[in-house]
Amino acid sequence: AQSVTQLGSHVSVSEGALVLLRCNYSSSVPPYLFWYVQYPNQGLQLLLKYTTGATLVKGINGFEAEFKKSETSFHLTKPSAHMSDAAEYFCAVSGQNFNKFYFGSGTKLNVKP
Amino acid sequence: GAVVSQHPSRVICKSGTSVKIECRSLDFQATTMFWYRQFPKQSLMLMATSNEGSKATYEQGVEKDKFLINHASLTLSTLTVTSAHPEDSSFYICSASILAGSYEDEQFFGPGTRLTVL
Repeated sequence: AQSVTQLGSHVSVSEGALVLLRCNYSSSVPPYLFWYVQYPNQGLQLLLKYTTGATLVKGINGFEAEFKKSETSFHLTKPSAHMSDAAEYFCAVSGQNFNKFYFGSGTKLNVKP
Repeated sequence: GAVVSQHPSRVICKSGTSVKIECRSLDFQATTMFWYRQFPKQSLMLMATSNEGSKATYEQGVEKDKFLINHASLTLSTLTVTSAHPEDSSFYICSASILAGSYEDEQFFGPGTRLTVL
């Protein structure tokens, strides 16, 4: 069975500050891990994913995430927040069949001027 | 990226009526479509997986007679909430994939449909 926990339903940072959104997972099989972003009234957009290979994954809009198996974590970071980053972010895990995604409850990122 | 649309974006209905939600892949053919349900401040929860031309596979605890899924073509899947009740009020999101089961695959999500049952 797989599950995802996102710590912090709301995160607020100042523009230019580091963004850190936390995601921990549990999985009985080697996981595939994803971060999605959702802007108001829009669908989920893939930011990045980890399947195999390098554990530090770079995505769109300057985001990156590191798969740490020992910590069962896949935290999302961005060195410098931009106002346009304000959105809701979802972490997700799937098994290697890719067909079933399990989502975290989401973290709303607020960026202050 | 690939675009998935949903219609309607919002629907309000009376208890006991049925509501149909459409999910379309606009610029690609989707071998597999997925239906999720999202309660306020909660995760998206997978309801069912549908492949074109075959019966949907429902997740445990999802009533297949209540949530009818039809995947008639490679670009259209529909979810019908039958005899809707207030507890069915939720945000329904669909997604579509091209190469389900491949590590090259990606799920493309629709914008969601807000269902309110009075």
